[in-house]
Amino acid sequence: GENVEQHPSTLSVQEGDSAVIKCTYSDSASNYFPWYKQELGKRPQLIIDIRSNVGEKKDQRIAVTLNKTAKHFSLHITETQPEDSAVYFCAALAGQKVTFGTGTKLQVIP
Amino acid sequence: GAGVSQSPSNKVTEKGKDVELRCDPISGHTALYWYRQSLGQGLEFLIYFQGNSAPDKSGLPSDRFSAERTGGSVSTLTIQRTQQEDSAVYLCASSLSLATNEKLFFGSGTQLSVL
Repeated sequence: GENVEQHPSTLSVQEGDSAVIKCTYSDSASNYFPWYKQELGKRPQLIIDIRSNVGEKKDQRIAVTLNKTAKHFSLHITETQPEDSAVYFCAALAGQKVTFGTGTKLQVIP
Repeated sequence: GAGVSQSPSNKVTEKGKDVELRCDPISGHTALYWYRQSLGQGLEFLIYFQGNSAPDKSGLPSDRFSAERTGGSVSTLTIQRTQQEDSAVYLCASSLSLATNEKLFFGSGTQLSVL
């Protein structure tokens, strides 16, 4: 089955700096890669996603890139703000199953 | 409903007891997932339902865990003879259909504590 690895597990950045979170997947059949943000004590919510026929997608301060050949995808957050502090999960969809990474706890220091 | 609803929000039980966790997905959503999130950990896949198809049970950690989905809507996750290692947040998520809309909407979870 699909295996999704995510790095780093924790990340601290100064407010205004950029943050990058990287994920790799194992199943070449995976064709959809969402990113979820989970604030403390709250449910995960989708923030951005990318499909396998696209190499990059951007939405304001966040962007996601996908390298199908290398089977890795990354989340980029620019001009980080304190409200970006949360746990971020990458995921991959293969067939009907969504497999999540282990999460990255991002701390933005004011 | 307005979103995915889970009950109870918190459940404290004694080791060896059975528990039932309920998930009420968004109306019309045919896909339903159960995930387990241990403290500070990721989202561990448990089971997946899609319409009337046979569920994907490949993530259930032992035969003490089972789930059903009645009428293609409400789902119940049952844990028999609970153990301390079952303590975690159990999250339910639903989607219109993974064939057409992959976005998952999560419930707020059930915090299970096994003493």
